Amino acid sequence: DTAVSQTPKYLVTQMGNDKSIKCEQNLGHDTMYWYKQDSKKFLKIMFSYNNKELIINETVPNRFSPKSPDKAHLNLHINSLELGDSAVYFCASSQGLALNTGELFFGEGSRLTVL
Amino acid sequence: GDSVTQMEGPVTLSEEAFLTINCTYTATGYPSLFWYVQYPGEGLQLLLKATKADDKGSNKGFEATYRKETTSFHLEKGSVQVSDSAVYFCALKANQAGTALIFGKGTTLSVSS
Repeated sequence: DTAVSQTPKYLVTQMGNDKSIKCEQNLGHDTMYWYKQDSKKFLKIMFSYNNKELIINETVPNRFSPKSPDKAHLNLHINSLELGDSAVYFCASSQGLALNTGELFFGEGSRLTVL
Repeated sequence: GDSVTQMEGPVTLSEEAFLTINCTYTATGYPSLFWYVQYPGEGLQLLLKATKADDKGSNKGFEATYRKETTSFHLEKGSVQVSDSAVYFCALKANQAGTALIFGKGTTLSVSS
């Protein structure tokens, strides 16, 4: 019954590899997000999609590519992983773009460790 | 651009102590303000919110009042419990579509019995 679910929860990989993190929400929300949380707990928005359309794309390297096959899914693919990509990545969703009051529902996070 | 500043942690308290976590913001216009909480090993969840000046958000004994004159949204609780140990994030959202929630750097609270 998890509202926002992410997989995998933990991911350990070598520099240079390509990896993906998947996110699904069953809340019927139109808007989904990816946030990155660094080792000091700082949270920064990376991307946001509304009805499969990219609406927010912060200054993120091109190695990061989000994909939204439908409004319930937002996946994150990372190419050529670097040490600095090690972080916890959170997926979130919210109700509607125009009605977005800032109440986000977060997944449990995916901890990525790049060796 | 818009930003949120919260007090540095960690904050360490004994059970039943009074809690204040300071939060100030910089924004154009009139944003909505939020406190989110992250328990160990979990994602963030909304704790309380206020959408206009002088509004007070409250939940689970926590309170915060939107103060436009001081651009602040300090979080308070009269008597903390061990179960309140978590990371607390102040956040703002501009009142326009297509903008993301902006978070402060988080304050870790540790409550001991």
